[in-house]
Amino acid sequence: QQQVKQSPQSLIVQKGGIPIINCAYENTAFDYFPWYQQFPGKGPALLIAIRPDVSEKKEGRFTISFNKSAKQFSLHIMDSQPGDSATYFCAASGSGSARQLTFGSGTQLTVLP
Amino acid sequence: KAGVTQTPRYLIKTRGQQVTLSCSPISGHRSVSWYQQTPGQGLQFLFEYFSETQRNKGNFPGRFSGRQFSNSRSEMNVSTLELGDSALYLCASSFIAGPNTGELFFGEGSRLTVL
Repeated sequence: QQQVKQSPQSLIVQKGGIPIINCAYENTAFDYFPWYQQFPGKGPALLIAIRPDVSEKKEGRFTISFNKSAKQFSLHIMDSQPGDSATYFCAASGSGSARQLTFGSGTQLTVLP
Repeated sequence: KAGVTQTPRYLIKTRGQQVTLSCSPISGHRSVSWYQQTPGQGLQFLFEYFSETQRNKGNFPGRFSGRQFSNSRSEMNVSTLELGDSALYLCASSFIAGPNTGELFFGEGSRLTVL
């Protein structure tokens, strides 16, 4: 019940495309859903986060869509650039036994020039 | 403002040895969390410390331990190393405890290889 399932495992798009990464969870105690971006040799860095009281959040070219009833959330990257090539992790946390961040398995995104 | 600093960045140990990894959080941050990252298991939570107290612990054997000092610096220790302990160990700091109360700032990690 602590799992966060992420897909796809890898994704290749052309520059300007809109890659979409999906995540699903089961634990209804989760109430915080961040996305992290990780470049090779670096630690993950927070990209954008959402709480279940909103269905969508945009920050620059990055958008999170959240479907509470389906227990799913996704990351969209508008006008993707080669510099967006990285590994993206969704995550979730909540209260009580769910208070630590549970990460998805990661999506390796490649944006071709 | 300096980021999260982890030392050493790379180390090689043999089975049965023990290792200590160090983490200096961002100045003013009182919470430090540790994660293990491997290709097979991804990012897994080890433990979280706040004001020198362990607040939360992941599902790892007792060979994995940690502590936090009064200056918020943290160390983790792995005893009786096994081949499967080879991983990138990431430290993350935040101003207050609990990842859903604010952003976690990760260091670049300590890459441990066990031979």
